[in-house]
Amino acid sequence: GESVGLHLPTLSVQEGDNSIINCAYSNSASDYFIWYKQESGKGPQFIIDIRSNMDKRQGQRVTVLLNKTVKHLSLQIAATQPGDSAVYFCAETRTGNTGKLIFGQGTTLQVKP
Amino acid sequence: DTAVSQTPKYLVTQMGNDKSIKCEQNLGHDTMYWYKQDSKKFLKIMFSYNNKELIINETVPNRFSPKSPDKAHLNLHINSLELGDSAVYFCASSQHREFTDTQYFGPGTRLTVL
Repeated sequence: GESVGLHLPTLSVQEGDNSIINCAYSNSASDYFIWYKQESGKGPQFIIDIRSNMDKRQGQRVTVLLNKTVKHLSLQIAATQPGDSAVYFCAETRTGNTGKLIFGQGTTLQVKP
Repeated sequence: DTAVSQTPKYLVTQMGNDKSIKCEQNLGHDTMYWYKQDSKKFLKIMFSYNNKELIINETVPNRFSPKSPDKAHLNLHINSLELGDSAVYFCASSQHREFTDTQYFGPGTRLTVL
C-alpha cells in the first residue's frame, strides 16, 4: 500500500547548524510533495512544496530535495533557530487525488541553544 | 484574524456519548477537510467537502458524520464515542479541490474519551 515515512523520529541540532530531515515514500505515482511544520499545540503549517518534475526547490532558509529514483525527499533548514523546534511532516499526493494528502509519521526537531 | 478555527479546543467525555466539533474558515475557500492525529502524531485524512459536497470519505466508522451547512463550515459529529476515538482532530481548508492547493489547518481539537 501507499505510505510515506520518515527515517528518524527525533533530530537534535545545535542552534545555528543546518538541519536535514528525511522522508521516504513508496508510491512511484506520487507527483506532488509537501513539507509541513507542526509546533506544539498547533495545527500543521505549510512550509514548502515540490512537484515531481523538479529536483530542488528553495524557500527562505529551507530547501527541499527530491530524488525520484530512490523515492526520497529531504528538507534542509539553514542556520536552525529555536523557533524551528517542531514536528516536521512530509506529505504526498498525486494528480487526480483531489486534496487527499498522505502524511508521513513526523520527525521531531529539537534545537539546542 | 483566525483563518481556520475550531471549537472546542479540548473535549473530555465519557464512552458512549455523542459529541460534535465545529470548524469555520474565513478564507473564502471551497474545500474543507477533517483529519485525525493519533497519539503517535500520525495524521490521517477522514473526510473532505467541496462546496458542501462530500468528495473524500476514507475508511471511517459510520459513527463519524461530517456536516457542511455552507462552504465556510464543516462540522464533525461523533456518535457512541469509544476509547479509540481519543485523538486530536484537525480541520483544514484549501482554495479549491486541486491536489496542489495548499491546505490550511486549524488549531485542533483534543478529544479525550474516558
